Amino acid sequence: GENVEQHPSTLSVQEGDSAVIKCTYSDSASNYFPWYKQELGKRPQLIIDIRSNVGEKKDQRIAVTLNKTAKHFSLHITETQPEDSAVYFCAVTGANNLFFGTGTRLTVIP
Amino acid sequence: GAVVSQHPSWVICKSGTSVKIECRSLDFQATTMFWYRQFPKQSLMLMATSNEGSKATYEQGVEKDKFLINHASLTLSTLTVTSAHPEDSSFYICSAHQLQGDGETQYFGPGTRLLVL
Repeated sequence: GENVEQHPSTLSVQEGDSAVIKCTYSDSASNYFPWYKQELGKRPQLIIDIRSNVGEKKDQRIAVTLNKTAKHFSLHITETQPEDSAVYFCAVTGANNLFFGTGTRLTVIP
Repeated sequence: GAVVSQHPSWVICKSGTSVKIECRSLDFQATTMFWYRQFPKQSLMLMATSNEGSKATYEQGVEKDKFLINHASLTLSTLTVTSAHPEDSSFYICSAHQLQGDGETQYFGPGTRLLVL
């Protein structure tokens, strides 16, 4: 199956700074790359996604970049706010099912 | 986005009993649903893929006779944890697969927290 690696596992930033989380994957046939935000005890919430025919996508303070050649994609959060604190998971899909990264616990320090 | 419900939200049971968890897509039809398990401070691990009208596909290491999956309609999949033991205590989350114009997206249920005593 797909092998998804996510770094870093924990990340602390000052409010207003940017945060970057990176994921690498192994299956070159993968074509859909979502990012999920999960607050404690709650379901993962899709925050942004990108498909293989696009290199970058932005939605307000959140952006995702994809490098298919290198098989990695990154989540960028700018102007971080305390409410951005959560665990973020990247995921990769090829044949319909999702394979998740190990998660990054982001803490935004006020 | 699409809405997926899950019931119950949490359950406590005695060791040896069976627990049934329902996953419903409320405003769309989902031919494929997925079941995940998440242990504390860990990532989501795919357990099985549930296909409407056919047998589920289980991931390696997941016992199909212990985790029974039924996908009887386009809006409902059930996961039954048979003869539950304390090590089965976990957060179980389903997701439903929805086809969209530019591809497909998965929407997650709110999860079921299972505690086996």
